[in-house]
Amino acid sequence: QKEVEQNSGPLSVPEGAIASLNCTYSDRGSQSFFWYRQYSGKSPELIMSIYSNGDKEDGRFTAQLNKASQYVSLLIRDSQPSDSATYLCAVGDYGQNFVFGPGTRLSVLP
Amino acid sequence: DVKVTQSSRYLVKRTGEKVFLECVQDMDHENMFWYRQDPGLGLRLIYFSYDVKMKEKGDIPEGYSVSREKKERFSLILESASTNQTSMYLCASSNRPDGGGGYTFGSGTRLTVV
Repeated sequence: QKEVEQNSGPLSVPEGAIASLNCTYSDRGSQSFFWYRQYSGKSPELIMSIYSNGDKEDGRFTAQLNKASQYVSLLIRDSQPSDSATYLCAVGDYGQNFVFGPGTRLSVLP
Repeated sequence: DVKVTQSSRYLVKRTGEKVFLECVQDMDHENMFWYRQDPGLGLRLIYFSYDVKMKEKGDIPEGYSVSREKKERFSLILESASTNQTSMYLCASSNRPDGGGGYTFGSGTRLTVV
């Protein structure tokens, strides 16, 4: 059974700080990694994807992947109250199916 | 703007009823998925489809069936609704054969079975 684990939170950070969200996965064959943001009562929306070891930056978001450690993270710089949401990690192989983690609830305090 | 549309935002059904949840995408995607989302359990895959008239079981198919008669439409059917099927149901679609594009989700249907 493939598993994806995340701390459920809530993770609270002050406005302007860096929020660090972590995700570990069990399947060493995993090739694709995604971060989704889900506001309360809304559906998930894709914010980052990463496929190779290292860092990938997109605006205030940076995804970090370490396949040897089976670890993927999301950093949010200059956190804003509007970043308060649940962040879902999704991990897949070259097929079309992903395994989602349970999500980490982030709260950015003004 | 790409869209995945779920027919109902909220539904209340009685135990034993047959329930249809509809999902339509306008992106010409081959791949469509049904998930349910429950607090503490995350997103769990019910069924998916890679092509018209094709379906595959996900992790929790029991009590559900699906239909895909047209490429753009993927329906989830609860054969005889039970209270443990009260949940948020999310439809998603994707087009990349390697899954690289991630999913586009619909807005969800919150189903309550009483």
